Amino acid sequence: SQKIEQNSEALNIQEGKTATLTCNYTNYSPAYLQWYRQDPGRGPVFLLLIRENEKEKRKERLKVTFDTTLKQSLFHITASQPADSATYLCALNSGNTGKLIFGQGTTLQVKP
Amino acid sequence: GAGVSQSPSNKVTEKGKDVELRCDPISGHTALYWYRQRLGQGLEFLIYFQGNSAPDKSGLPSDRFSAERTGESVSTLTIQRTQQEDSAVYLCASSSGAADLEQFFGPGTRLTVL
Repeated sequence: SQKIEQNSEALNIQEGKTATLTCNYTNYSPAYLQWYRQDPGRGPVFLLLIRENEKEKRKERLKVTFDTTLKQSLFHITASQPADSATYLCALNSGNTGKLIFGQGTTLQVKP
Repeated sequence: GAGVSQSPSNKVTEKGKDVELRCDPISGHTALYWYRQRLGQGLEFLIYFQGNSAPDKSGLPSDRFSAERTGESVSTLTIQRTQQEDSAVYLCASSSGAADLEQFFGPGTRLTVL
C-alpha cells in the first residue's frame, strides 16, 4: 500500500546549525512534492514545491532535494533560528489532481 | 483579499449529534479541499472539489460524512451522528486550480465529541 514516512521523533538542534528532515515514500510515483510548515493551533503554510524532474530547489535558507530513485526528499534549513521551530509536513500529489497525501510531520526544535 | 476562513473555530458536541463545519475559500480559487488532523498526526484527505467537476470523495471515512460546495464559494462539511473518534481538527484549503499549486489552509475547526 502507499506510504509516506517522516521522522516521527522530534529533531532538536542548536541555533545556527543546519536542520535536515527526511521524507520517504513507497508505492508512489508523484509528479511533485510539497513541504509545509505548521505551527501549533494553525493550519499548514506552504514552503516549497519540487517536481519529479527537479533534483533540488532553494528558497532563502531552505533547500529541498527530490530523489525519485531512492523515493526520498530531504528538507534542509541552514543557519537555523529558534523561530524555525515548528512541525514540517511533506506532501505528495496523488493522481493528476491537486489532491495531496501528507506525511505525519516532523517537529523541529531549534535551541538558542 | 482575506485568506481561507473556517467556522466555528471550536465545536463541542455530544455523541450522536450532527455538526456542520463551514469553509470560506479565497475568492477566485476553484479548488477546495477538506482534511482531518487527529492529535499529533498528519493530515488525512477527506474530499476535494474542483470547479463544476464531480467531487473526489475517496477520503470520506464513512457515510456519516458529507460535504457540499456552492459553485466556487463556501463549502460545508457535515458529520451526522458524531462519534468520539470524530474528534479532530478539520482543516479546509483552497487553491487556484492547477494541480501542482500550493494549497492555502484555514485555521481549522477543532471538533470535540463528548
